[in-house]
Amino acid sequence: DQQVKQNSPSLSVQEGRISILNCDYTNSMFDYFLWYKKYPAEGPTFLISISSIKDKNEDGRFTVFLNKSAKHLSLHIVPSQPGDSAVYFCAASAFGNQFYFGTGTSLTVIP
Amino acid sequence: ETGVTQTPRHLVMGMTNKKSLKCEQHLGHNAMYWYKQSAKKPLELMFVYNFKEQTENNSVPSRFSPECPNSSHLFLHLHTLQPEDSALYLCASSQAQSWTDSHNYGYTFGSGTRLTVV
Repeated sequence: DQQVKQNSPSLSVQEGRISILNCDYTNSMFDYFLWYKKYPAEGPTFLISISSIKDKNEDGRFTVFLNKSAKHLSLHIVPSQPGDSAVYFCAASAFGNQFYFGTGTSLTVIP
Repeated sequence: ETGVTQTPRHLVMGMTNKKSLKCEQHLGHNAMYWYKQSAKKPLELMFVYNFKEQTENNSVPSRFSPECPNSSHLFLHLHTLQPEDSALYLCASSQAQSWTDSHNYGYTFGSGTRLTVV
């Protein structure tokens, strides 16, 4: 039973536009969330995180939004660049417990 | 070399073979992890080592046997695998000393070993 779901396996966006990647979770005890980015033939690299005491965290072009009532988080990339083309994973954990990962969304930014 | 290094990058093995995956980190991290990524499935945690002690075994079949001789090296010994064990095996490390700590530190992942069991 998947506790973290990324229902869109792929997304294509024009360069310069906004990319929105979505993630849903089922466990209301989750209180910390991460986004990882993965290029082909490389391991995932940490991108941005958010804890449940916040509903938004921003780092440059990347912003993560958390809607606890909907058990939903999203990653916004503005403006999107071709180098952002990668697979994006969200992960969630409850305090003191392991992280659970989604299946990933493959983002393609078209020049 | 910095970061987390995994060897080999690709491995094809028969069901009766014995092979080992190797992971090495030079980041001074205390915790090391094995994850499995099967096609269209999320990353699944297999084993956790903290200060060389195994602290987590996520109901992994005994045909997978981890070994952590020191804080910098982690092995996954494989024997009599099944075709469904074909997957990308990722090693990760972290400064975290417990799951509580892992909220403060992310993981650093290796590039993975693509395993095919024939």
